[in-house]
Amino acid sequence: AQSVAQPEDQVNVAEGNPLTVKCTYSVSGNPYLFWYVQYPNRGLQFLLKYITGDNLVKGSYGFEAEFNKSQTSFHLKKPSALVSDSALYFCAVLNNRKLIWGLGTSLAVNP
Amino acid sequence: GAVVSQHPSWVICKSGTSVKIECRSLDFQATTMFWYRQFPKQSLMLMATSNEGSKATYEQGVEKDKFLINHASLTLSTLTVTSAHPEDSSFYICSATTSGRVWTYNEQFFGPGTRLTVL
Repeated sequence: AQSVAQPEDQVNVAEGNPLTVKCTYSVSGNPYLFWYVQYPNRGLQFLLKYITGDNLVKGSYGFEAEFNKSQTSFHLKKPSALVSDSALYFCAVLNNRKLIWGLGTSLAVNP
Repeated sequence: GAVVSQHPSWVICKSGTSVKIECRSLDFQATTMFWYRQFPKQSLMLMATSNEGSKATYEQGVEKDKFLINHASLTLSTLTVTSAHPEDSSFYICSATTSGRVWTYNEQFFGPGTRLTVL
């Protein structure tokens, strides 16, 4: 079955430290992968996507993600976290013309 | 970026009544809109895909007569929960895409969601 896993419900990181939010997937064929962020009382916002090409994808707000085919992962990263990055992050994979979503990871950046 | 609004942001209703949720694309024309449902601590579940001027395509297990979707214009789609019951209580989210085709790998633009509580 096609699925997306975000193994961590919550990630805590100190401001200025690098952050990683993990995502693994299971799909048949080539995966098309997405990261979205949800701030409190606001709609989901697109961060970045991987369709093809370079495994390292750069997105909005300084975020990037690395596609790793052998590990079937698409972890979201940022070199230096900001308190304003605190939000709920969703990984998704496109399958059969529909997005399959992970459960989300709550990121808390502590000052 | 493109903005999608939803109204109301939250609603409380009595069991047996119907509730309408509006989804509007404020600064672009949305040929396709999606309706999702999100339960606490669960991922988004796609309910239906709505194309302007045509009938919505519902996902398996979603009752068409229960969740009425209308996409009358390129900037407005509505979801009506008919004869709502407590089990319909949830967070409903809409999204919109500018693409004429359902998938050209463009990102969807999401509304802020509507919290429905049925007493």
